[in-house]
Amino acid sequence: DGGITQSPKYLFRKEGQNVTLSCEQNLNHDAMYWYRQDPGQGLRLIYYSQIVNDFQKGDIAEGYSVSREKKESFPLTVTSAQKNPTAFYLCASRPRLALFYNEQFFGPGTRLTVL
Amino acid sequence: KQEVTQIPAALSVPEGENLVLNCSFTDSAIYNLQWFRQDPGKGLTSLLLIQSSQREQTSGRLNASLDKSSGRSTLYIAASQPGDSATYLCAVEAGTALIFGKGTTLSVSS
Repeated sequence: DGGITQSPKYLFRKEGQNVTLSCEQNLNHDAMYWYRQDPGQGLRLIYYSQIVNDFQKGDIAEGYSVSREKKESFPLTVTSAQKNPTAFYLCASRPRLALFYNEQFFGPGTRLTVL
Repeated sequence: KQEVTQIPAALSVPEGENLVLNCSFTDSAIYNLQWFRQDPGKGLTSLLLIQSSQREQTSGRLNASLDKSSGRSTLYIAASQPGDSATYLCAVEAGTALIFGKGTTLSVSS
């Protein structure tokens, strides 16, 4: 089955810890995205990558880091510098050809809770 | 800066009713507009994508329209069913990634 997988589904973090959220896709998409969703809010862009070994900050990148070493993988690290990390995190991807005219496909999400 | 607004925030209707969800955006310079469905605790499912040059798209009981000049889009759901209960999000493509509204939570009672 083609799609986007995110793991884990639920993640708990203690204060001061770094945690990494996994996002993998087998759709052969070049572009990948990380969004954050808070209750009653729309999604906000954290980071995006249009090609391997390249990524750009989104609107709320502070306290987060990413890497893009492989086309199919785009992990997100939530660092201790992120003061309010409790949220629902969604990964998305789409083909790079005609980038802005293609729909984005989303994974099932990871819910992160700070204890 | 592009802003996307969805009205109403919540909507409750009886089964079988036709309904309209509204989305407005402040900057008409968009590449496309996408409607999504989100079930509680789940990811987003793409429903319809309207390119900037198009006026509407249809899929089954769903019809989405786009009026770029007025900065508005509507999602029309015909003959609503309890299974349509979910949060509906609209998002505009502004050139970097999608910019989302806060969504409309729909509840369809049987």
